[in-house]
This record gives sequence, C-alpha cells and structure tokens, in this order.
Amino acid sequence: NAGVMQNPRHLVRRRGQEARLRCSPMKGHSHVYWYRQLPEEGLKFMVYLQKENIIDESGMPKERFSAEFPKEGPSILRIQQVVRGDSAAYFCASSEGVTNEKLFFGSGTQLSVL
Amino acid sequence: SQQGEEDPQALSIQEGENATMNCSYKTSINNLQWYRQNSGRGLVHLILIRSNEREKHSGRLRVTLDTSKKSSSLLITASRAADTASYFCAPGAQKLVFGQGTRLTINP
Repeated sequence: NAGVMQNPRHLVRRRGQEARLRCSPMKGHSHVYWYRQLPEEGLKFMVYLQKENIIDESGMPKERFSAEFPKEGPSILRIQQVVRGDSAAYFCASSEGVTNEKLFFGSGTQLSVL
Repeated sequence: SQQGEEDPQALSIQEGENATMNCSYKTSINNLQWYRQNSGRGLVHLILIRSNEREKHSGRLRVTLDTSKKSSSLLITASRAADTASYFCAPGAQKLVFGQGTRLTINP
C-alpha cells in the first residue's frame, strides 16, 4: 500500500507562470489536506477537501490559489501567476475521514519561483 | 480547530539523555497527536492520546496528557542521533493545525 504520493518533488517556475501540484492520497483515504511551510517555520493549514468537495479553505489566499479533489484522480493545488513569496514547501496529507483521525503526509513539493 | 504551542522552541542534548517537550492548548479536546518532521520531509505521526487517557507509551516515547491544565508532554528516552528532528503537537480537531514545533538536536 503506497503512501501519500506528491509530485513533482521540486518545481521551478518564473514569476507569472502557473504551478500545479499533485497529491494522490493513500488507498482508501477520501480526505486530503494541503499545508504550506516556509523555511524554519511550522506547517500552515491551507485547505481541506473530500472527494469533489471543499470542506474548509480558510487558510487559502483569496486570490490565485485554488484546490480540487475530483472523483477520479489526484488532488491538485493550483497557483496562478506565481510570485516569489509563493516559494515554499507544500505538503499534502490524507486521512480515512473519521474526525480526529491521524494524518499521513507526503514528502512535499518544493516550489521555487525565480 | 486550535493550534498547539510547543515549548521549548529548540532543545539540544547529548546522545543517550532524555528529551522532554511540552505542548499547551486552549480549548477542550477529544485527543492530541504528536508528529515528527525530519528536515525537508513530511510529518510522521508518532502517537495519539485520547482525552480519557493520562499517559501512553510507544517504544522510547512517553506521552502524558493533563486536560485540567490543557497540556501534554512528549518524553523521548535514551535519545539517538536519528531523533534529531522537529516535533509538533496537534490538539484534536477536524483539521489539524500545527504550531512552530520544537527543534530537537541530539549531539553525538
């Protein structure tokens, strides 16, 4: 049973381009969470999704950021018109969906904006 | 949801010594979890303690929970170099919110 898979592992974009980060949850997990981490800081919650639904997006910036978790396929975190301040590690986690269930994390995508 | 606050922010000890980290939170919880993060990697779940439990063990890890004081502690006994990492607590909620963590360094 593969763990949470994130790709790409590293992503380099120029200012103004789009970044698409993908996350495949563990088999049988229907809940996905996205977090952002700046160097030497903790993880900041961005968004919580179930299949085809956004449950909580209180941590998402109001502009340029969007997330989806379609019925088929991975969850996607999309950042439009990237700026240097978007450079960070983005982690995805999944759970079975029971409240307070432990999270399983992917290895993250390191986004660098030039 | 609420965020746990870890203390100290950084801890450096000699290999073989015990390491204790603390976590405080603000509102009532059903459970509390501890996670570890090695540099550049995702978080790894260590242990979950429920509100009706006072202490829980897992290998060299011992976690306590005091719901009256809204605090938890994580003790790592007989530390090893491989324990060098950041440690985060997460008070139970539908979505887990993480604080700044405790950066633990084990010196050989």
